[in-house]
Amino acid sequence: SQELEQSPQSLIVQEGKNLTINCTSSKTLYGLYWYKQKYGEGLIFLMMLQKGGEEKSHEKITAKLDEKKQQSSLHITASQPSHAGIYLCGASYGNALNFGKGTSLLVTP
Amino acid sequence: GAVVSQHPSWVICKSGTSVKIECRSLDFQATTMFWYRQFPKQSLMLMATSNEGSKATYEQGVEKDKFLINHASLTLSTLTVTSAHPEDSSFYICSARAVLRGTDTQYFGPGTRLTVL
Repeated sequence: SQELEQSPQSLIVQEGKNLTINCTSSKTLYGLYWYKQKYGEGLIFLMMLQKGGEEKSHEKITAKLDEKKQQSSLHITASQPSHAGIYLCGASYGNALNFGKGTSLLVTP
Repeated sequence: GAVVSQHPSWVICKSGTSVKIECRSLDFQATTMFWYRQFPKQSLMLMATSNEGSKATYEQGVEKDKFLINHASLTLSTLTVTSAHPEDSSFYICSARAVLRGTDTQYFGPGTRLTVL
């Protein structure tokens, strides 16, 4: 069974619009990681959240971890074509990171 | 800091041959490294955990005799795909675990694309 569920699976937004990607865990998280990936390339680390209620921002991307540490959201403000790619959430349950299926984001002009 | 490299970045081989992929932590030591596999349009799936100086731990469904892992030093882990077949064609990504600046996290390599003809 999939321990991490991401939604939506894919997203097409117009440039300048805001968007949110969600990641839900079936178990309590020790740490929640957000990565971006261009197809066929490695992972680009975005943010890591550990504490319930924690929120971090980097440029136009904000990630939150809910109080119960079972759900996280990634919010992009005023999206740009450079934001296009696959967004993966990864969860630490004590050892290796397990990943969600990813959200494919396309930003149109 | 915390750079992980992989070599080669891509490889094409004939069916039945073996291919070795290297994963190196360039500026830190990693007692634990992980190997993932990613098929097109799918997420990363953990294959095995590689521990320096001991046998690797494989995830369910991953053949340990087919995917040989050697973690010979604190900065190098290798994955050898033995008797490769077209269905082994995939994107292989390694990561190295480290505690840097008080944070325990994984640093990922750029990946190796394997195509088996």
